[in-house]
Amino acid sequence: EVQLLESGGGLVQPGGSLRLSCAASGFTFSTYAMSWVRQAPGKGLEWVSAISGSGGSTYYAASVKGRFTISRDNSENTLYLQMNTLRAEDTAVYYCAKGAVYCGGDCFDYWGQGTLVTVSS
Amino acid sequence: EIVLTQSPATLSLSPGERATLSCRASQSVFSYLAWYQQKPGQAPRLLIYDASNRATGIPARFSGSGSGTDFTLTISSLEPEDFAVYYCQQRSNWPFTFGPGTKVDIK
Repeated sequence: EVQLLESGGGLVQPGGSLRLSCAASGFTFSTYAMSWVRQAPGKGLEWVSAISGSGGSTYYAASVKGRFTISRDNSENTLYLQMNTLRAEDTAVYYCAKGAVYCGGDCFDYWGQGTLVTVSS
Repeated sequence: EIVLTQSPATLSLSPGERATLSCRASQSVFSYLAWYQQKPGQAPRLLIYDASNRATGIPARFSGSGSGTDFTLTISSLEPEDFAVYYCQQRSNWPFTFGPGTKVDIK
């Protein structure tokens, strides 16, 4: 059974940093692209970042480029999102999502339960 | 960035009725469009990928159609568990983008 378990969310001041983790199990982690998708309170979904299975290719939304870094440790089956220079508008539930093989990893067939990041003074 | 527009914003229907949801892209996304369902307090669930293919385990009452810039998600006969928010997502160009969602609620 595929499981994705996010952790690392919490309350942080504007300008601060936070690192999110997503522990994966139930599939061959290194084979699949992974993404982070966020959802501000009461709002829609926003794709944030993606990483290839090997970790060699990374992609970012314009809103986070230069501030967030996606990475993965395939030996630990864990996905990360390092978030720096956080802003109030980064407040959201952050989901990690597994890329589906039948759309080249670019749509998402399994999602974690999400971790809430609140940026506030 | 490709902008996705969904209509209507809210669709009020009764169980057993047919639901037709629209997603329009600001430029062609070919067939690289997916649909997701999200219920309150839950993560999204993939329904349809590449415009018309049902994901694993998705009931046949869900179907997708379209290509280029205009897409439709149809729920042939609404079940009580289908009342939720539906999002489209394009994977044609980076960055991936989602539409703003259509809420299907009970009339």
